[in-house]
Amino acid sequence: DAGVIQSPRHEVTEMGQEVTLRCKPISGHNSLFWYRQTMMRGLELLIYFNNNVPIDDSGMPEDRFSAKMPNASFSTLKIQPSEPRDSAVYFCASSSSSYGYTFGSGTRLTVV
Amino acid sequence: GESVGLHLPTLSVQEGDNSIINCAYSNSASDYFIWYKQESGKGPQFIIDIRSNMDKRQGQRVTVLLNKTVKHLSLQIAATQPGDSAVYFCAENRHDYKLSFGAGTTVTVRA
Repeated sequence: DAGVIQSPRHEVTEMGQEVTLRCKPISGHNSLFWYRQTMMRGLELLIYFNNNVPIDDSGMPEDRFSAKMPNASFSTLKIQPSEPRDSAVYFCASSSSSYGYTFGSGTRLTVV
Repeated sequence: GESVGLHLPTLSVQEGDNSIINCAYSNSASDYFIWYKQESGKGPQFIIDIRSNMDKRQGQRVTVLLNKTVKHLSLQIAATQPGDSAVYFCAENRHDYKLSFGAGTTVTVRA
C-alpha cells in the first residue's frame, strides 16, 4: 500500500499565480480530506469529500480556494490567485470510515 | 468554542524513561479519540486510538488512557527512544467525519 500520495512535495510561487495541489487517496477509501497546517492555527480542515462528493467546505478560507474530486482516486486543491498568507503545509488524508484518517506527506507551499 | 487542547506544548525526556503526554477535551459527546505523531517534514501518523466505552488501550510501547469524568486523555510511551522525538497530537471525533485536533506537544528525547 503506497499510502496517500500528494504532489508536489514543495511549491514556491509568486503572489497572484495559480497553484494546484494534487492527492491520490488510498484505494478503497471513500472519504477524502484537505487540511492546512500553520504554526499559528495548527491543523485546519478545509474540505471533506465522501464518495467523491463535497460534503463540507466550510473550512475553505475564501473563494480563491476550490477543490475537486473527479473520481475516487484523485483530488485537487486549487488556489487562484495565491497570496503570501496562503503559505502553509497542505495535507490530504483519506479514510474508509468515520474513525481515523491516513495522512499524506503534505505539500509545503510558499507564496512570495 | 469547544476544542481539544494539550496541557504542555513541550516535553523533554531522557532516553529510556517513560513519557506522558496529556490532552484535555471539552466535548463530552466525543466518542472516539486518536493520538497522532508528526515527525519533521512528514504528515501526522496514527499511533493509537480509543473509543469512549474504554478507559485504557495498549499498543506496542504506547498506552492511551481516557478519563471521561474529567475529559482527559493521555498517551504514555514506555522506554522512550530517540525516534520518538516528534510532535504529538490528540484528536477527537464527535459522531461524524470531522476530527478536531489539539495544538500538539513537542517531545524531545535527550540522549
